[in-house]
Amino acid sequence: NAGVMQNPRHLVRRRGQEARLRCSPMKGHSHVYWYRQLPEEGLKFMVYLQKENIIDESGMPKERFSAEFPKEGPSILRIQQVVRGDSAAYFCASSPEGIPNTEAFFGQGTRLTVV
Amino acid sequence: DAKTTQPNSMESNEEEPVHLPCNHSTISGTDYIHWYRQLPSQGPEYVIHGLTSNVNNRMASLAIAEDRKSSTLILHRATLRDAAVYYCILRRGAGSYQLTFGKGTKLSVIP
Repeated sequence: NAGVMQNPRHLVRRRGQEARLRCSPMKGHSHVYWYRQLPEEGLKFMVYLQKENIIDESGMPKERFSAEFPKEGPSILRIQQVVRGDSAAYFCASSPEGIPNTEAFFGQGTRLTVV
Repeated sequence: DAKTTQPNSMESNEEEPVHLPCNHSTISGTDYIHWYRQLPSQGPEYVIHGLTSNVNNRMASLAIAEDRKSSTLILHRATLRDAAVYYCILRRGAGSYQLTFGKGTKLSVIP
C-alpha cells in the first residue's frame, strides 16, 4: 500500500508564474489536508478537502491560492502569480476518516522555490 | 483549540530512554492527545495517540497524567534515527479534523 505521494518533490518557479502541487492520498483515504511550512517554522494548516468538496479553507491565503480534490485523480494545490514569500515546503496528508481518533499520513512534501 | 507547551529542545544519549513532556492544562474532555515527529527534510510521521489511558505501540509509549493536564512521550531506547522535532497536538473530539502544530521539541541524540 503506497503512502501519500506528492509531486513534484522540488519545484522552482519565477515570480509571476503558476505552481501546481499534486497529492495522491493513500488508497481508501477520502480526506486530504494541505499544510505549509516556511523555513525554520512549524507547519500551518491550509485547507481540508473531501472528494469534490472543500470542507475548511480557513488557513488559505485569500488570494492566488486554490485547492481541489476531484472525484478522479489527485488533489491539487494551485498557487497563481507566485511571489518569493510563497517559497516553502508544502505537505499533504490523508486519513481514512475525518474524526480525531485516527492518524494522518503525510507525504514527503513539495519544496517550492520562487526565484 | 487547547494549547500545548513543550520544551524547545532536549538531548539524549544513544540507547538510553527519553521522556518528552507536554503540558496541556486547558485540555477538554473530548481532546485526543497526538504525537507526531518530523525528521529533517521529511514530512511529519505519526507516533502515537491516546485519550485517557496510557498507550504503547512499537514506536513509543504515551503516559497520560490522571488529570490529563500533561502527558509524556517515552522512547524506550533512543537511536540516532530518533533525532527529530516532536510535536504534541490536541485533536478535538467533535467537529475537528485538522492538526494544529506548535513549535515542538527538537530532540538531539548523542552517539
